[in-house]
Amino acid sequence: AQKITQTQPGMFVQEKEAVTLDCTYDTSDPSYGLFWYKQPSSGEMIFLIYQGSYDQQNATEGRYSLNFQKARKSANLVISASQLGDSAMYFCAMRWASSGSARQLTFGSGTQLTVLP
Amino acid sequence: GAGVSQSPSNKVTEKGKDVELRCDPISGHTALYWYRQSLGQGLEFLIYFQGNSAPDKSGLPSDRFSAERTGGSVSTLTIQRTQQEDSAVYLCASSLELQPQHFGDGTRLSIL
Repeated sequence: AQKITQTQPGMFVQEKEAVTLDCTYDTSDPSYGLFWYKQPSSGEMIFLIYQGSYDQQNATEGRYSLNFQKARKSANLVISASQLGDSAMYFCAMRWASSGSARQLTFGSGTQLTVLP
Repeated sequence: GAGVSQSPSNKVTEKGKDVELRCDPISGHTALYWYRQSLGQGLEFLIYFQGNSAPDKSGLPSDRFSAERTGGSVSTLTIQRTQQEDSAVYLCASSLELQPQHFGDGTRLSIL
């Protein structure tokens, strides 16, 4: 069974600094996708970044990058130059991609990030 | 709008009543998902629709929960004989096959 672990319930970072949010996963399926979502206090889930298990390079989207270490089964999110608006709950999620496999996301427990002025 | 639309945004009802939650996915998205987010359980998958295929109902917690998707578009999640433990935020998401899921703002359900 898939399992996603986020070991940091809460994180603080100074504005303009970089921060890394940890995510490890467990799966025996060779084909999978890893996702990060942001959930501000208003409640909407915002897609940030995606990494496929066969992708050779780490994904980047603007200030977001995903530090993908396949052998260690980790997919940490790096936010560069933090902004006050980055304060939110961040969820790591995983989805099987093999044919016939389930398509739903399995989520970690989340990390509450607070950016300090 | 261009995003996933859910209604109502908030629903308060008495224990034992039935409730219907609606999701209008992004136009053209073939896949539709329902999730539940609660304090004690985090984010849980409920049900998945893909095109005209039979839905994956493996996440539904009991037979009081059901969902349908009409015409490959709008979906309704129905909870019968609501219980207090059904209180949660119900999130709908849609996507193209194997593409990232895009979520609605959710329906916050409170059972008195």
